Amino acid sequence: EADIYQTPRYLVIGTGKKITLECSQTMGHDKMYWYQQDPGMELHLIHYSYGVNSTEKGDLSSESTVSRIRTEHFPLTLESARPSHTSQYLCASSGSMNTEAFFGQGTRLTVV
Amino acid sequence: GENVEQHPSTLSVQEGDSAVIKCTYSDSASNYFPWYKQELGKRPQLIIDIRSNVGEKKDQRIAVTLNKTAKHFSLHITETQPEDSAVYFCAARGAGTASKLTFGTGTRLQVTL
Repeated sequence: EADIYQTPRYLVIGTGKKITLECSQTMGHDKMYWYQQDPGMELHLIHYSYGVNSTEKGDLSSESTVSRIRTEHFPLTLESARPSHTSQYLCASSGSMNTEAFFGQGTRLTVV
Repeated sequence: GENVEQHPSTLSVQEGDSAVIKCTYSDSASNYFPWYKQELGKRPQLIIDIRSNVGEKKDQRIAVTLNKTAKHFSLHITETQPEDSAVYFCAARGAGTASKLTFGTGTRLQVTL
């Protein structure tokens, strides 16, 4: 079934650890996004990709990196997790034409 | 880059009343305007969208209007029901292969009995 998948769904880690949040989509979309969102609050764009090897930083990108080696895969890496990173991370994808963006179910990250 | 402003940030209406959420955008080249609904604990999902060649679109109790000259668009929900309670996000995307969706800051709608 065509969808966008995020793993893990929940993650609790210690301060200073390096983590990678996974996002994959099976819809052949060329655009993918990472957002940070506290419950019910604004969607903050972290990173954006409009195709393989093409990425842009968003508002909150300074402490994370992404890669887009394959169309379907867009992982997000935090090099050194801090308690301020505690939040929900949502991945989304959309097609090249003006079509809707689909969101993954999110990863809820807690840094202790 | 694109800037999308959304108002109000919270909205409380009685069941059966109408609700209106308004957004403005800055990039006159933007040509796609979706609206997303996010229920508590769930991911945002598209409820309606409009493209710049159309001024209004309806889907049952939901409608969206677009004023390209003024660069604003609005979501209208009629006959509100408790299940309409959620956070609503507007967004805009420009033309061009590298253009991205830019979201508004969200409106928390509460429908009271």
